[in-house]
Amino acid sequence: GNSVTQMEGPVTLSEEAFLTINCTYTATGYPSLFWYVQYPGEGLQLLLKATKADDKGSNKGFEATYRKETTSFHLEKGSVQVSDSAVYFCALSANSGGSNYKLTFGKGTLLTVNP
Amino acid sequence: NAGVTQTPKFQVLKTGQSMTLQCAQDMNHEYMSWYRQDPGMGLRLIHYSVGAGITDQGEVPNGYNVSRSTTEDFPLRLLSAAPSQTSVYFCASSDWGGLTNTGELFFGEGSRLTVL
Repeated sequence: GNSVTQMEGPVTLSEEAFLTINCTYTATGYPSLFWYVQYPGEGLQLLLKATKADDKGSNKGFEATYRKETTSFHLEKGSVQVSDSAVYFCALSANSGGSNYKLTFGKGTLLTVNP
Repeated sequence: NAGVTQTPKFQVLKTGQSMTLQCAQDMNHEYMSWYRQDPGMGLRLIHYSVGAGITDQGEVPNGYNVSRSTTEDFPLRLLSAAPSQTSVYFCASSDWGGLTNTGELFFGEGSRLTVL
């Protein structure tokens, strides 16, 4: 079946530090890949996505590149801010027949950015 | 825009009680789903629906019932609550449809349920 593995947290950084959160996946077919973010007390919201190999998703200074050869979709940001403190979820949607209606999530990575 | 609205936001139940978590969306989305979020477990899919009158089980359906009589509403019912159902529940919707769709999920703000 489909699965997503992301680095365990928590991750604590100082403001302006470089961020990487690793994500690898196992899927049949050709999945679309997503990063969702959950700010404290809120629901999840889409941060960025990529729908095919070598695509780069980007938003709010965050980037992730769909690497089919390494089955990875690592999240990066060059300079984090305190406001980036949140839980980040990697997810996939597999384009394979009737199973396209489910997103499979990783367990989430808590990021705390200190001033 | 209201988006996805969940009620109640907080609820405390005793073991064996029943209740319904309400979810409504105003985006005319065909796809709706319920997830539960537990520490260290991420999000797990409970039930989902691809349109009015159509529902299906997700990863952890036991102890939960759903129905979809309208496009807008997708309530989640706990028939006999158990402490293992203590969790945060999220409703999400999407305009998904078709084999190549890669639609975004829109989440509600969550409902925190405690079962004593």
